[in-house]
Amino acid sequence: RKEVEQDPGPFNVPEGATVAFNCTYSNSASQSFFWYRQDCRKEPKLLMSVYSSGNEDGRFTAQLNRASQYISLLIRDSKLSDSATYLCVVNDYKLSFGAGTTVTVRA
Amino acid sequence: ETGVTQTPRHLVMGMTNKKSLKCEQHLGHNAMYWYKQSAKKPLELMFVYNFKEQTENNSVPSRFSPECPNSSHLFLHLHTLQPEDSALYLCASSQVKTSGGEGNTQYFGPGTRLTVL
Repeated sequence: RKEVEQDPGPFNVPEGATVAFNCTYSNSASQSFFWYRQDCRKEPKLLMSVYSSGNEDGRFTAQLNRASQYISLLIRDSKLSDSATYLCVVNDYKLSFGAGTTVTVRA
Repeated sequence: ETGVTQTPRHLVMGMTNKKSLKCEQHLGHNAMYWYKQSAKKPLELMFVYNFKEQTENNSVPSRFSPECPNSSHLFLHLHTLQPEDSALYLCASSQVKTSGGEGNTQYFGPGTRLTVL
């Protein structure tokens, strides 16, 4: 089983829609997690940290389900600028990255 | 944003060439990292330096040779690369906390897009 698994997508959604996707991790002892976003041909940038049950930042909500070993990211009221690849990251003294979920928001 | 800079941004080299990638962080962090990102694959951690000491080498071939002269600078020396080494090479830095608590937030440079012919 891969350390971090993500649905690659793409998720194609209209502006204003809500989109959500999950990430599963293999190490049940993992304590902290991140969501990074990566635009095409750019570097990853931190979107959110997820330390306890979840975190909310404006239109973005991250949730952690330790029992099922997954974290989710929900984007409300999608904007065109939300189009990117979202990387799930698990922090086990080093960072383990998922391959990313691609989201495309269309006008 | 200029927290972590990398040069060059693009590099094309032959298999017999020797080149170096440079990374500099202006964030006062104590750890630096090299990652490789190939198309449609997760970022692969290559090397980790904490306080200028290499703490991790993820079974990287010897044709990749890192150098960390101080906590702000990191180099990746390349020689006799293979076409499959073509990828985006990302440098990152973080402030590693010795105690528990917050996770290891890493900040990335813009990357060097390497093509090996």
